Amino acid sequence: EDKVVQSPLSLVVHEGDTVTLNCSYEVTNFRSLLWYKQEKKAPTFLFMLTSSGIEKKSGRLSSILDKKELSSILNITATQTGDSAIYLCAVEAGYGGATNKLIFGTGTLLAVQP
Amino acid sequence: DAGVTQSPTHLIKTRGQQVTLRCSPKSGHDTVSWYQQALGQGPQFIFQYYEEEERQRGNFPDRFSGHQFPNYSSELNVNALLLGDSALYLCASSAYRGLSPITEAFFGQGTRLTVV
Repeated sequence: EDKVVQSPLSLVVHEGDTVTLNCSYEVTNFRSLLWYKQEKKAPTFLFMLTSSGIEKKSGRLSSILDKKELSSILNITATQTGDSAIYLCAVEAGYGGATNKLIFGTGTLLAVQP
Repeated sequence: DAGVTQSPTHLIKTRGQQVTLRCSPKSGHDTVSWYQQALGQGPQFIFQYYEEEERQRGNFPDRFSGHQFPNYSSELNVNALLLGDSALYLCASSAYRGLSPITEAFFGQGTRLTVV
């Protein structure tokens, strides 16, 4: 059965700290790995990763995929209180010319204290 | 450019009732997926619609059904509601790329369903 596992489940840090969130997966028909940030309701897109070893960056956030280890990390440097949210990792699984679906982990709850 | 819109935002139903949730995809998107997110969990895939057909289905009972209209909007129907159906229901839209990865799926704000 396809699964995505995130760690840690929750994390409390202080402003200015650097955090690393982990995601590992066991998914057949892997197509891509995506990171989302969920604050209230709608998950908002952060990154999509398809190639191993290529880092994607957006401001203080960065992410990289390791297809050999079936894992990805999301780094946030110089954290701010506005980074407090649930961070979701999802793997896109494709099914042979039909369509695809996202398999989500349970998320990491990040709390950044002033 | 409107993103993904869902209605209603909140809903309270009684066990055994039926509910219909609605989703309008982002402009230019033709594929709609539905997810159920229970408290403290990640979203779980319910099903996906493309060209008005259900293309892929997750591990949900037949009480969960859907529909896609010619304008790409979609409905999720749940019959014989159970207390365990209480959750945030998210709609995601994307553009069908065949064998290529999707660029990203855009999510709506969700419908919070409470079954009492």
